[in-house]
Amino acid sequence: AQSVAQPEDQVNVAEGNPLTVKCTYSVSGNPYLFWYVQYPNRGLQFLLKYITGDNLVKGSYGFEAEFNKSQTSFHLKKPSALVSDSALYFCAVRDSGNTGKLIFGQGTTLQVKP
Amino acid sequence: DGGITQSPKYLFRKEGQNVTLSCEQNLNHDAMYWYRQDPGQGLRLIYYSQIVNDFQKGDIAEGYSVSREKKESFPLTVTSAQKNPTAFYLCASSIRAGENTEAFFGQGTRLTVV
Repeated sequence: AQSVAQPEDQVNVAEGNPLTVKCTYSVSGNPYLFWYVQYPNRGLQFLLKYITGDNLVKGSYGFEAEFNKSQTSFHLKKPSALVSDSALYFCAVRDSGNTGKLIFGQGTTLQVKP
Repeated sequence: DGGITQSPKYLFRKEGQNVTLSCEQNLNHDAMYWYRQDPGQGLRLIYYSQIVNDFQKGDIAEGYSVSREKKESFPLTVTSAQKNPTAFYLCASSIRAGENTEAFFGQGTRLTVV
């Protein structure tokens, strides 16, 4: 069965420090991976995706993610965190059944403190 | 503006009532999805539609129904058979189900049973 795990419920970082939000996945076949961000009582906003090609993917708002096939990971990173980055982050993998369904991790709350 | 519109933003339902959540998109996307979000559980797929006049059950379809009579509209009805309907409901769309493009999300409807 396909699945996504986000091992940390919450990540705390100081403003200006680098941040990492972890994600591991389990899929059959090639993984198609996504990161989304959610602000309180809002929908999900797309940040970036990995389909194929370079293992380092750059996305919106200065975020990037590193795809590691051997470790089945797709960690989200940012070199310098902002207080406004504080939100709920979801990692997702596309279902292999060609339906376009996304399988989500449980989410990680990022708290950036001034 | 192009995008996905969900209405209402907040909805209160009495026990035993059916309610319908609206989702409209003007992105000309073929595929549409309904997800349910509960705290700490990520998003779970309720129903999806790959093309107009067709839809499929997702992982938690019991107590829900949908229709897809028009390409731009994918309403979700929460029936009285849904035992625990209080949740945040998110509608999404993508260009076509078989392509590795990101999904776009609406702003969500928060349903509360009173």
